[in-house]
Amino acid sequence: EAQVTQNPRYLITVTGKKLTVTCSQNMNHEYMSWYRQDPGLGLRQIYYSMNVEVTDKGDVPEGYKVSRKEKRNFPLILESPSPNQTSLYFCASSLGGWEKNIQYFGAGTRLSVL
Amino acid sequence: GENVEQHPSTLSVQEGDSAVIKCTYSDSASNYFPWYKQELGKGPQLIIDIRSNVGEKKDQRIAVTLNKTAKHFSLHITETQPEDSAVYFCAGAGGTSYGKLTFGQGTILTVHP
Repeated sequence: EAQVTQNPRYLITVTGKKLTVTCSQNMNHEYMSWYRQDPGLGLRQIYYSMNVEVTDKGDVPEGYKVSRKEKRNFPLILESPSPNQTSLYFCASSLGGWEKNIQYFGAGTRLSVL
Repeated sequence: GENVEQHPSTLSVQEGDSAVIKCTYSDSASNYFPWYKQELGKGPQLIIDIRSNVGEKKDQRIAVTLNKTAKHFSLHITETQPEDSAVYFCAGAGGTSYGKLTFGQGTILTVHP
């Protein structure tokens, strides 16, 4: 089954404790992206990747890191989480650029930073 | 960069009525405008999209219209059903922000039986 898998689905942590949210897709997609969803703000892009070892900042990259060492994986790293990073996070992938291909989303990771 | 504004933030309709959600965008070079539906506890899912060389696109009960001159596009849902209740997001891509997809703020649609 074609899918984007995020782990964990729920995470509670404390300020300053490094964490990683994993994302994996089994569709051989080139494009992958991370979004955060906050009430009244919609989905905001954090980082995106157009291929292995190619990443770029989205609209809200501060406080986040990403890496794309393999085509299927695109982890999101919070080196020192803060309470303002409490949010619902989505990973997404598409075959090519967003303007040409359907973007598939994972089920989401709800993060709480205390 | 691109900025997408979406209205209304909430929309309540009776089953069988039509629902319209409107979005405006700022980057005149944007050329792709998808609409996503997000059901409770799930990730967004594409329901329809339109490209800048097309003015209207229809798929059964849903349709999208695009006015490039005014830089706005709309989602129309006819004969609404309770299962249409969800959060709907519009988005814009292409143009000067290649590789980025900018979403609107979302509309919570509630269809009452």
